[in-house]
Amino acid sequence: QSVLTQPPSVSGAPGQRVTISCTGSSSNIGTGYDVHWYRQLPGTAPKLLIYGNNNRPSGVPDRFSGSKSGTSASLAITGLQAEDEADYYCQSYDSSLSGFYVFGTGTKVTVL
Amino acid sequence: QVQLQESGPGLVKPSQTLSLTCTVSGASISSGVYYWSWIRQHPGKGLEWIGYIYYSGSTYYNPSLKSRVNISVATSKKQFSLKLTSVTAADTAVYYCARIVEWYFDHWGQGTLVTVSS
Repeated sequence: QSVLTQPPSVSGAPGQRVTISCTGSSSNIGTGYDVHWYRQLPGTAPKLLIYGNNNRPSGVPDRFSGSKSGTSASLAITGLQAEDEADYYCQSYDSSLSGFYVFGTGTKVTVL
Repeated sequence: QVQLQESGPGLVKPSQTLSLTCTVSGASISSGVYYWSWIRQHPGKGLEWIGYIYYSGSTYYNPSLKSRVNISVATSKKQFSLKLTSVTAADTAVYYCARIVEWYFDHWGQGTLVTVSS
């Protein structure tokens, strides 16, 4: 039921920069609703990583940054570290019949 | 710090009702700032929002599940609960409770696996 599309996987070597895209539509991101990002380590609950498009909660390193433009958003991870290997999900608000809160399809980040 | 903890049966028979409770600590469930939500994740799949409740009792559900979902709140117990009726194997998932603030989920429970099987 995901209405936000993400690439299934991205990978990079330690120290590199990777980006994850999140593509929505005119009923969610394109309408102006904010995009938020979560990181899910294996076997654990998702954890808030970025809120309000580009804001980091306390404790999240500035290696993580977000951006939004038009009907899409992106999460960038710089200085990739082994502990960044996880699943990442974007989330927004949708004004169509799909329901208020919608998540992306998820992206697996692999550190080579 | 804010903590949410899901509890309930890990096994439910087909056609029966799935019932889970989320206990909140470190935050007031009666605060008008937050909504309290349930989210699920099918095995190996992405996240699906189920619905939310406000401390006043007002609710909103995912239209795809609306006919089978009921979320209630017990503010004195600092708990809110999920009931999902007429379950099938397709409802097998990890169920998370989470707090909503300003359109995002800032705190999550650890999740509980519910398997639907006879």
